[in-house]
Amino acid sequence: QKEVEQNSGPLSVPEGAIASLNCTYSDRGSQSFFWYRQYSGKSPELIMSIYSNGDKEDGRFTAQLNKASQYVSLLIRDSQPSDSATYLCAVRGATNKLIFGTGTLLAVQP
Amino acid sequence: GAVVSQHPSRVICKSGTSVKIECRSLDFQATTMFWYRQFPKQSLMLMATSNEGSKATYEQGVEKDKFLINHASLTLSTLTVTSAHPEDSSFYICSARPGGDQPQHFGDGTRLSIL
Repeated sequence: QKEVEQNSGPLSVPEGAIASLNCTYSDRGSQSFFWYRQYSGKSPELIMSIYSNGDKEDGRFTAQLNKASQYVSLLIRDSQPSDSATYLCAVRGATNKLIFGTGTLLAVQP
Repeated sequence: GAVVSQHPSRVICKSGTSVKIECRSLDFQATTMFWYRQFPKQSLMLMATSNEGSKATYEQGVEKDKFLINHASLTLSTLTVTSAHPEDSSFYICSARPGGDQPQHFGDGTRLSIL
């Protein structure tokens, strides 16, 4: 079992729709969770961080964390073509290292 | 927000050349910096954790004599790819975080091409 798992996609959504990205992790002791966006050929850019159960909203983005289910998600409302990128879920556990999923490719269709 | 600067952005050089990549935290001090490598269509792979004033901690399978890391100050870490060969061609990305539970921020990456 991979430490951090994501569906590789591509996830295709029409412009204006809600994109839902999911991530599961194996280390129950993990305390910090992050979503990064990576455009092709570029380095990752932090979108959201979440540390406690529940929802955290920032503009069009909402991160959701459920530690009991070991599940993290990212919702993007009113998706725009410029949101098309690979979204990386990252989890920091007891080792203090950031473990990345393989990423989900999101394609927003105009 | 926290800014991490990485230079150079692109290097093209002959096989056997050694290449140095710099990573700076511009508006915060970073006792720990991280070096990643990313091959096309793959996720980021942590190569090593760079600790200010002490030796770097390398991940399994990463040759410490091949990838020399120096973290001489709280704002600067360098990665030197020694005697680079075509198989070392990749996208190298550094990362740092202000401390505590803060998120890691990434430099813009260095695309290394060895001919």
